[in-house]
Amino acid sequence: GAVVSQHPSWVICKSGTSVKIECRSLDFQATTMFWYRQFPKQSLMLMATSNEGSKATYEQGVEKDKFLINHASLTLSTLTVTSAHPEDSSFYICSAPGTSNTGELFFGEGSRLTVL
Amino acid sequence: DAKTTQPPSMDCAEGRAANLPCNHSTISGNEYVYWYRQIHSQGPQYIIHGLKNNETNEMASLIITEDRKSSTLILPHATLRDTAVYYCIVRVAINAGNMLTFGGGTRLMVKP
Repeated sequence: GAVVSQHPSWVICKSGTSVKIECRSLDFQATTMFWYRQFPKQSLMLMATSNEGSKATYEQGVEKDKFLINHASLTLSTLTVTSAHPEDSSFYICSAPGTSNTGELFFGEGSRLTVL
Repeated sequence: DAKTTQPPSMDCAEGRAANLPCNHSTISGNEYVYWYRQIHSQGPQYIIHGLKNNETNEMASLIITEDRKSSTLILPHATLRDTAVYYCIVRVAINAGNMLTFGGGTRLMVKP
């Protein structure tokens, strides 16, 4: 099946710095990608929908100026956590729909962010 | 998308069948039942999906009741590597550009 890859898989940063997470569709094109966040022992929560060639759409309560999303090409979306704080520490996961009509979403491996 | 209800946790003995139930009593006629699982510290993995007929693939079987208000995911011979959180999600398949909405899922613990 289709493969979605994230980088880095884990990152530790100091409070106040910015961190960029990349999400790539390796063998297919994705005009849409979804970014999720998952806190320990909780389910995945959708943060935003990344759209190639246009602005991302954010879920209620997610600050667009803090979580910058850029869908630079049909195979790459990036999430930048700006001015990170310890409460931003979480597991960030991206996903992309496949090219068939089965409705299946392919997920990346996830990126664990720890803000000190 | 229709709401789903799953037990928060289940145990299963290694080598035995794991039967994970899901209730989706408000499912609409054009909504599919999807199952994903998430092994600790990894992204979710697609398992199977179906509309109204039972489905089987190399990973699992999906049994959907005739009224489609509930379904059961069956792992025929559970292994320790099947320990994960299993999510049952209902959504319209043709809207492939739409995201998945995750509920609490069932935490399956496969024990030796």
